[in-house]
Amino acid sequence: GAGVSQSPRYKVAKRGQDVALRCDPISGHVSLFWYQQALGQGPEFLTYFQNEAQLDKSGLPSDRFFAERPEGSVSTLKIQRTQQEDSAVYLCASSFTHRRNSPLHFGNGTRLTVT
Amino acid sequence: GIQVEQSPPDLILQEGANSTLRCNFSDSVNNLQWFHQNPWGQLINLFYIPSGTKQNGRLSATTVATERYSLLYISSSQTTDSGVYFCAVDPETSGSRLTFGEGTQLTVNP
Repeated sequence: GAGVSQSPRYKVAKRGQDVALRCDPISGHVSLFWYQQALGQGPEFLTYFQNEAQLDKSGLPSDRFFAERPEGSVSTLKIQRTQQEDSAVYLCASSFTHRRNSPLHFGNGTRLTVT
Repeated sequence: GIQVEQSPPDLILQEGANSTLRCNFSDSVNNLQWFHQNPWGQLINLFYIPSGTKQNGRLSATTVATERYSLLYISSSQTTDSGVYFCAVDPETSGSRLTFGEGTQLTVNP
């Protein structure tokens, strides 16, 4: 596709359920990032992949959060045993290279609501 | 970690007015980017500007790295400029993660 695609667009989960959020980056983009954006706040870094390698997962808030990108393209962010504080918009971004001046292209995000 | 402060938090303009948004950061950076988040939540990259000045149409940005601030100028504002403007930085000591400020909410009225 022309841009970064995320699905689902909206997800409602009951507390304790597991969820999986998908990101399709722009074809050929090496770098992929996940960010979490709470209402009224700026995005916060979760994790970073360069191809299939997860080079930085320091932003994942707990061991309930897990991300993978097994073939270096599509990525999945999984949240186990969801809690109310996990409610947020989860944004995926990709860039063509790993260089810092490579523009980030964001998807529209997945809005997760945990009830 | 690095602190990023943006001002003003909110700004209301009449169409055609000019504005300046500011971003202060607490440590040296080797990456600074400005983003616009439209009312539908889409984040668009405006500038990669760790230092110097760049212009793109009605928008321009200046970063003075030695004084740890960046400015985003919007001239002849239009209603489509409404949304949240974020500054994001990557500290020199980190890998490839951006730290975002809390944004400036801009509303341009017709």
